[in-house]
Amino acid sequence: DAGVIQSPRHEVTEMGQEVTLRCKPISGHNSLFWYRQTMMRGLELLIYFNNNVPIDDSGMPEDRFSAKMPNASFSTLKIQPSEPRDSAVYFCASRTSGGASAEQYFGPGTRLTVT
Amino acid sequence: AQSVTQLDSHVSVSEGTPVLLRCNYSSSYSPSLFWYVQHPNKGLQLLLKYTSAATLVKGINGFEAEFKKSETSFHLTKPSAHMSDAAEYFCVVSDRDTGRRALTFGSGTRLQVQP
Repeated sequence: DAGVIQSPRHEVTEMGQEVTLRCKPISGHNSLFWYRQTMMRGLELLIYFNNNVPIDDSGMPEDRFSAKMPNASFSTLKIQPSEPRDSAVYFCASRTSGGASAEQYFGPGTRLTVT
Repeated sequence: AQSVTQLDSHVSVSEGTPVLLRCNYSSSYSPSLFWYVQHPNKGLQLLLKYTSAATLVKGINGFEAEFKKSETSFHLTKPSAHMSDAAEYFCVVSDRDTGRRALTFGSGTRLQVQP
């Protein structure tokens, strides 16, 4: 299995532009998570999906952020408009239906820089 | 509510000496506990997990951790450090009875291994 796939790996954009991050979970996994990692705040959960349905989006910082999961093999995280404080590494992770004891498998991350 | 405290932000050891990374947790219910490792510019990789079976858990690369309910601790150890162990380590808790919420990450411990 190729693992969790994220694209792009690096994104540099100007303030005000729209940014779309993409994730392909491991086949057969039915939960998907988006995290953000910064030096100041560490790893933060933004949103997670179960069977393509958003379950908990309480970590989404504000309305500029939105996430979708149109099918079991694809999810996007969109930032519109982007701001310099959105600069971070964004991770996608997936897991099976084993509940809270099932480990999450992380993608390599997308490093976003907003200038 | 669940939380995780990693007691040391940085740990430095010499190659060949033991490693101890400390973690205390708080959980309302029966927790699942994980240790993840993140090498520079990489995603997170699962080292080991505890899910109420044996309290001493063995993971990859010679790491192990012991769940101590009386101390609410889940410290990570390795008998002999290797240069390749230099990375950031995250202790993570998941409440099995509140599975709607995803993982709660500690702030991380950066392990340095001196030659």
